[in-house]
Amino acid sequence: GAVVSQHPSRVICKSGTSVKIECRSLDFQATTMFWYRQFPKQSLMLMATSNEGSKATYEQGVEKDKFLINHASLTLSTLTVTSAHPEDSSFYICSARAGQGGSNYGYTFGSGTRLTVV
Amino acid sequence: RKEVEQDPGPFNVPEGATVAFNCTYSNSASQSFFWYRQDCRKEPKLLMSVYSSGNEDGRFTAQLNRASQYISLLIRDSKLSDSATYLCAVTLMEYGNKLVFGAGTILRVKS
Repeated sequence: GAVVSQHPSRVICKSGTSVKIECRSLDFQATTMFWYRQFPKQSLMLMATSNEGSKATYEQGVEKDKFLINHASLTLSTLTVTSAHPEDSSFYICSARAGQGGSNYGYTFGSGTRLTVV
Repeated sequence: RKEVEQDPGPFNVPEGATVAFNCTYSNSASQSFFWYRQDCRKEPKLLMSVYSSGNEDGRFTAQLNRASQYISLLIRDSKLSDSATYLCAVTLMEYGNKLVFGAGTILRVKS
């Protein structure tokens, strides 16, 4: 089945630094990738949708200059949290989707990245 | 109004019990519907898709009512291993067919 690899699984960084999270589709081409954030005891909140070769679409309230998304190839999307602050500490999860259509085929999730900003 | 709403619970039930979760969605143009299971500090795992005709997978039964914009999940003969958070999700007919989750319902099955 489709596999999505997400790295790193856990990162601790100092306030003010930037952190890059990678999401790779290992055995399929992901034309669309989604980035979610989940705070403790809350649900997954969609942050942005990225399509290969074009700009990401951000959800309302998500700062595009703070959360930089790059989807430069059909197998890799990156999320960079710039100038991280303690309130950015969260669980970030990517989801990759191949092709088109409304079926669930291809909604594969990475294992998540737990970011702690100190 | 949230796009997908669920009763957060928690539902505390004994082993063997039958438990039902409900979910409503606000966008009538939603295309596809799913139930996911999420264990603590892990990524969500697809439990089952939900179809208008209703569908069953072992102890799990899902129903969709498009007129009422309502989705349900029924778990029969609950097991300890069913303890998790159950997330309702729908795809929206917008750019990229994004998958939007409800807040999740916590289930605790006790012996």
